[in-house]
Amino acid sequence: KNQVEQSPQSLIILEGKNCTLQCNYTVSPFSNLRWYKQDTGRGPVSLTIMTFSENTKSNGRYTATLDADTKQSSLHITASQLSDSASYICVVSGYDYKLSFGAGTTVTVRA
Amino acid sequence: KAGVTQTPRYLIKTRGQQVTLSCSPISGHRSVSWYQQTPGQGLQFLFEYFSETQRNKGNFPGRFSGRQFSNSRSEMNVSTLELGDSALYLCASSPNERETQYFGPGTRLLVL
Repeated sequence: KNQVEQSPQSLIILEGKNCTLQCNYTVSPFSNLRWYKQDTGRGPVSLTIMTFSENTKSNGRYTATLDADTKQSSLHITASQLSDSASYICVVSGYDYKLSFGAGTTVTVRA
Repeated sequence: KAGVTQTPRYLIKTRGQQVTLSCSPISGHRSVSWYQQTPGQGLQFLFEYFSETQRNKGNFPGRFSGRQFSNSRSEMNVSTLELGDSALYLCASSPNERETQYFGPGTRLLVL
Protein backbone atom coordinates (compact mmCIF):
# COMPACT_ATOMS: atom_id res chain seq x y z
CA LYS A 1 0.00 0.00 0.00
CA ASN A 2 1.36 3.39 -1.00
CA GLN A 3 2.20 5.38 2.08
CA VAL A 4 1.86 8.72 0.28
CA GLU A 5 -1.41 9.72 -1.35
CA GLN A 6 -1.75 12.85 -3.47
CA SER A 7 -4.87 14.62 -4.63
CA PRO A 8 -6.19 15.59 -7.00
CA GLN A 9 -4.64 13.38 -9.65
CA SER A 10 -4.80 16.26 -12.09
CA LEU A 11 -6.20 19.74 -12.32
CA ILE A 12 -6.59 22.53 -14.85
CA ILE A 13 -6.42 26.17 -13.82
CA LEU A 14 -6.44 29.50 -15.59
CA GLU A 15 -3.32 31.60 -15.67
CA GLY A 16 -3.17 33.94 -12.72
CA LYS A 17 -5.34 31.79 -10.47
CA ASN A 18 -4.23 30.01 -7.30
CA CYS A 19 -4.40 26.31 -6.59
CA THR A 20 -3.65 23.92 -3.74
CA LEU A 21 -2.37 20.37 -3.98
CA GLN A 22 -2.74 17.85 -1.17
CA CYS A 23 -0.47 15.14 0.19
CA ASN A 24 -1.46 12.68 2.93
CA TYR A 25 1.06 10.20 4.28
CA THR A 26 1.30 7.33 6.73
CA VAL A 27 5.09 7.06 6.84
CA SER A 28 6.22 6.71 10.44
CA PRO A 29 8.54 7.63 11.96
CA PHE A 30 8.77 10.67 9.79
CA SER A 31 11.95 12.54 8.95
CA ASN A 32 11.08 15.08 6.29
CA LEU A 33 8.65 15.85 3.49
CA ARG A 34 9.65 17.19 0.10
CA TRP A 35 7.79 18.64 -2.84
CA TYR A 36 9.24 18.30 -6.31
CA LYS A 37 8.21 19.82 -9.64
CA GLN A 38 8.76 17.73 -12.73
CA ASP A 39 8.40 19.15 -16.20
CA THR A 40 7.54 16.69 -18.94
CA GLY A 41 10.59 14.72 -20.03
CA ARG A 42 12.87 16.19 -17.37
CA GLY A 43 14.08 15.20 -13.94
CA PRO A 44 12.27 16.45 -10.80
CA VAL A 45 13.39 19.72 -9.24
CA SER A 46 13.19 20.29 -5.52
CA LEU A 47 10.75 22.99 -4.38
CA THR A 48 10.74 22.61 -0.61
CA ILE A 49 11.89 20.28 2.11
CA MET A 50 10.38 20.39 5.59
CA THR A 51 11.10 18.57 8.84
CA PHE A 52 8.40 17.73 11.38
CA SER A 53 9.04 20.96 13.28
CA GLU A 54 8.32 23.20 10.31
CA ASN A 55 4.76 24.27 9.49
CA THR A 56 5.32 26.26 6.35
CA LYS A 57 8.03 26.96 3.82
CA SER A 58 7.98 29.13 0.73
CA ASN A 59 9.90 29.13 -2.50
CA GLY A 60 8.77 32.06 -4.61
CA ARG A 61 5.13 31.54 -5.55
CA TYR A 62 5.16 28.04 -4.04
CA THR A 63 4.20 27.64 -0.39
CA ALA A 64 4.20 24.28 1.33
CA THR A 65 2.49 23.58 4.64
CA LEU A 66 2.90 20.62 6.94
CA ASP A 67 0.75 19.28 9.75
CA ALA A 68 2.76 16.46 11.29
CA ASP A 69 -0.08 15.61 13.69
CA THR A 70 -2.57 14.85 10.94
CA LYS A 71 0.16 13.74 8.52
CA GLN A 72 -0.97 16.15 5.85
CA SER A 73 0.86 18.57 3.62
CA SER A 74 -0.26 20.99 0.96
CA LEU A 75 1.46 22.89 -1.81
CA HIS A 76 -0.10 26.21 -2.73
CA ILE A 77 0.70 27.86 -6.05
CA THR A 78 -0.03 31.57 -6.14
CA ALA A 79 -0.77 33.54 -9.31
CA SER A 80 -0.12 30.57 -11.56
CA GLN A 81 1.91 30.95 -14.72
CA LEU A 82 2.03 28.82 -17.85
CA SER A 83 5.44 27.55 -16.72
CA ASP A 84 3.80 26.03 -13.64
CA SER A 85 2.33 23.32 -15.87
CA ALA A 86 4.06 20.21 -14.57
CA SER A 87 3.72 17.22 -12.31
CA TYR A 88 4.12 17.90 -8.60
CA ILE A 89 5.39 15.03 -6.50
CA CYS A 90 5.23 14.69 -2.72
CA VAL A 91 8.02 12.60 -1.19
CA VAL A 92 8.18 11.53 2.44
CA SER A 93 11.36 10.32 4.11
CA GLY A 94 11.32 7.99 7.06
CA TYR A 95 14.13 7.67 9.60
CA ASP A 96 15.34 4.55 7.81
CA TYR A 97 16.39 6.81 4.88
CA LYS A 98 13.76 5.24 2.65
CA LEU A 99 11.76 7.61 0.47
CA SER A 100 8.08 7.08 -0.27
CA PHE A 101 6.77 8.78 -3.38
CA GLY A 102 3.30 9.99 -4.16
CA ALA A 103 1.91 9.38 -7.63
CA GLY A 104 1.97 13.10 -8.33
CA THR A 105 -0.55 15.75 -9.33
CA THR A 106 -0.49 16.97 -12.91
CA VAL A 107 -1.18 20.69 -13.13
CA THR A 108 -2.13 22.30 -16.42
CA VAL A 109 -2.21 26.07 -16.56
CA ARG A 110 -4.19 27.56 -19.44
CA ALA A 111 -4.01 31.08 -20.80
CA LYS B 1 28.28 24.12 -9.63
CA ALA B 2 27.45 21.73 -12.43
CA GLY B 3 24.29 19.73 -11.91
CA VAL B 4 23.79 16.00 -11.97
CA THR B 5 24.63 14.57 -15.36
CA GLN B 6 23.46 11.31 -16.83
CA THR B 7 24.63 9.48 -19.90
CA PRO B 8 23.38 8.49 -22.30
CA ARG B 9 20.21 10.56 -22.51
CA TYR B 10 18.44 8.13 -24.82
CA LEU B 11 18.96 4.47 -25.48
CA ILE B 12 17.26 1.81 -27.56
CA LYS B 13 17.94 -1.85 -26.80
CA THR B 14 16.34 -5.17 -27.63
CA ARG B 15 15.03 -7.81 -25.27
CA GLY B 16 17.73 -9.94 -23.69
CA GLN B 17 20.45 -7.33 -24.01
CA GLN B 18 22.06 -5.58 -21.09
CA VAL B 19 22.58 -1.88 -20.51
CA THR B 20 24.76 0.32 -18.33
CA LEU B 21 23.72 3.83 -17.38
CA SER B 22 26.03 6.39 -15.86
CA CYS B 23 25.50 9.19 -13.36
CA SER B 24 27.86 11.94 -12.25
CA PRO B 25 26.63 13.62 -9.07
CA ILE B 26 27.10 17.22 -8.06
CA SER B 27 30.62 17.81 -6.82
CA GLY B 28 30.85 17.05 -3.10
CA HIS B 29 27.69 14.93 -3.00
CA ARG B 30 28.30 11.48 -1.60
CA SER B 31 24.81 10.01 -1.87
CA VAL B 32 23.52 8.81 -5.23
CA SER B 33 20.11 7.27 -5.72
CA TRP B 34 18.53 5.68 -8.77
CA TYR B 35 14.85 5.67 -9.71
CA GLN B 36 12.72 4.21 -12.45
CA GLN B 37 9.82 6.25 -13.70
CA THR B 38 7.04 4.90 -15.88
CA PRO B 39 3.67 6.49 -16.71
CA GLY B 40 1.77 3.80 -14.86
CA GLN B 41 3.95 3.39 -11.76
CA GLY B 42 5.35 6.84 -11.11
CA LEU B 43 8.75 7.09 -9.44
CA GLN B 44 10.05 3.81 -8.10
CA PHE B 45 13.15 3.64 -5.92
CA LEU B 46 15.88 1.32 -7.19
CA PHE B 47 18.83 1.76 -4.83
CA GLU B 48 20.97 4.28 -3.03
CA TYR B 49 24.74 4.42 -2.67
CA PHE B 50 26.71 6.35 -0.13
CA SER B 51 30.50 6.37 -0.14
CA GLU B 52 30.65 3.34 -2.46
CA THR B 53 28.29 1.26 -0.31
CA GLN B 54 24.75 0.30 -1.24
CA ARG B 55 22.73 1.52 1.68
CA ASN B 56 19.17 0.99 0.48
CA LYS B 57 17.52 -1.16 -2.13
CA GLY B 58 14.05 -1.07 -3.58
CA ASN B 59 11.91 -3.99 -4.69
CA PHE B 60 13.44 -4.72 -8.05
CA PRO B 61 14.74 -8.05 -9.35
CA GLY B 62 18.42 -8.94 -9.26
CA ARG B 63 18.72 -8.00 -12.93
CA PHE B 64 19.04 -4.44 -11.68
CA SER B 65 22.37 -3.68 -10.08
CA GLY B 66 24.56 -0.72 -9.45
CA ARG B 67 27.79 0.49 -8.03
CA GLN B 68 29.47 3.68 -6.93
CA PHE B 69 33.05 4.64 -7.49
CA SER B 70 35.44 6.45 -5.19
CA ASN B 71 34.73 9.74 -6.99
CA SER B 72 30.99 9.24 -6.22
CA ARG B 73 30.12 8.59 -9.85
CA SER B 74 27.63 5.77 -10.13
CA GLU B 75 26.58 3.24 -12.71
CA MET B 76 23.44 1.20 -13.00
CA ASN B 77 23.25 -2.03 -14.94
CA VAL B 78 20.22 -3.91 -16.16
CA SER B 79 20.80 -7.38 -17.55
CA THR B 80 18.50 -9.51 -19.70
CA LEU B 81 16.32 -6.57 -20.63
CA GLU B 82 12.55 -6.99 -20.76
CA LEU B 83 9.97 -4.87 -22.55
CA GLY B 84 8.73 -3.66 -19.19
CA ASP B 85 12.11 -2.13 -18.44
CA SER B 86 11.33 0.68 -20.86
CA ALA B 87 11.28 3.76 -18.66
CA LEU B 88 12.96 6.98 -17.67
CA TYR B 89 15.83 6.20 -15.29
CA LEU B 90 16.64 9.05 -12.97
CA CYS B 91 19.68 9.59 -10.83
CA ALA B 92 19.70 11.95 -7.87
CA SER B 93 22.51 13.12 -5.64
CA SER B 94 22.64 14.81 -2.27
CA PRO B 95 25.35 15.68 0.26
CA ASN B 96 23.87 13.09 2.61
CA GLU B 97 20.66 11.15 3.06
CA ARG B 98 18.77 13.86 4.93
CA GLU B 99 19.27 16.69 2.50
CA THR B 100 17.53 17.68 -0.71
CA GLN B 101 18.12 15.42 -3.64
CA TYR B 102 19.05 16.96 -6.97
CA PHE B 103 17.89 15.02 -9.96
CA GLY B 104 19.59 14.57 -13.28
CA PRO B 105 17.74 14.83 -16.60
CA GLY B 106 17.36 11.06 -16.80
CA THR B 107 18.12 8.37 -19.34
CA ARG B 108 15.17 7.29 -21.43
CA LEU B 109 15.47 3.60 -22.21
CA LEU B 110 13.34 1.91 -24.83
CA VAL B 111 13.41 -1.87 -25.02
CA LEU B 112 12.12 -3.36 -28.27
